[in-house]
Amino acid sequence: DAGITQSPRHKVTETGTPVTLRCHQTENHRYMYWYRQDPGHGLRLIHYSYGVKDTDKGEVSDGYSVSRSKTEDFLLTLESATSSQTSVYFCAISVRASGLYNEQFFGPGTRLTVL
Amino acid sequence: DAKTTQPNSMESNEEEPVHLPCNHSTISGTDYIHWYRQLPSQGPEYVIHGLTSNVNNRMASLAIAEDRKSSTLILHRATLRDAAVYYCILRDAQGADNNRKLIWGLGTSLAVNP
Repeated sequence: DAGITQSPRHKVTETGTPVTLRCHQTENHRYMYWYRQDPGHGLRLIHYSYGVKDTDKGEVSDGYSVSRSKTEDFLLTLESATSSQTSVYFCAISVRASGLYNEQFFGPGTRLTVL
Repeated sequence: DAKTTQPNSMESNEEEPVHLPCNHSTISGTDYIHWYRQLPSQGPEYVIHGLTSNVNNRMASLAIAEDRKSSTLILHRATLRDAAVYYCILRDAQGADNNRKLIWGLGTSLAVNP
């Protein structure tokens, strides 16, 4: 257990409303990631962070923004939610396991429904 | 980025061995082979990884072909709790930042019959 929590775990919202998902870790790891998972697709990277205030885009970043003001928290914001953003969102951290190897640990996920 | 090919689904009986194949013909010399699994309604979890040699841990074994173009995850005695989607993923060995280059396919959905 890498001490990753996500909140909320479930959310239903309406199109056009802003939504913020929170990922919290307890072990001060540098790298954090946001993924989405949809039927028919593998996990797809939205944004990632390599330190406080240091973030970069993943492969499906349109419509999403992120912020990391503290090491332990990585926030994902949907400025104006759309139905295409209905998905399960996973947060992950990267932990140096041995040598050059880095293992990812995932949070429990947030199921977001946009009506 | 190198990709992997896995069967969509497999089925096994409880307490029997399971061999989950993965093809990665475009693997590069510095790519690690990773396996993760995702239990129902949970996030993915690490299973095992390797570079060139076969690997064993408490969860599974990883057999890597000599040319590294394929690998097999071996569950020695499947249990009902092993029913999950298993992902085979390649990742460059250099740098934690290369996690962003992970390409997650659809994996193999393993069903375990009692």
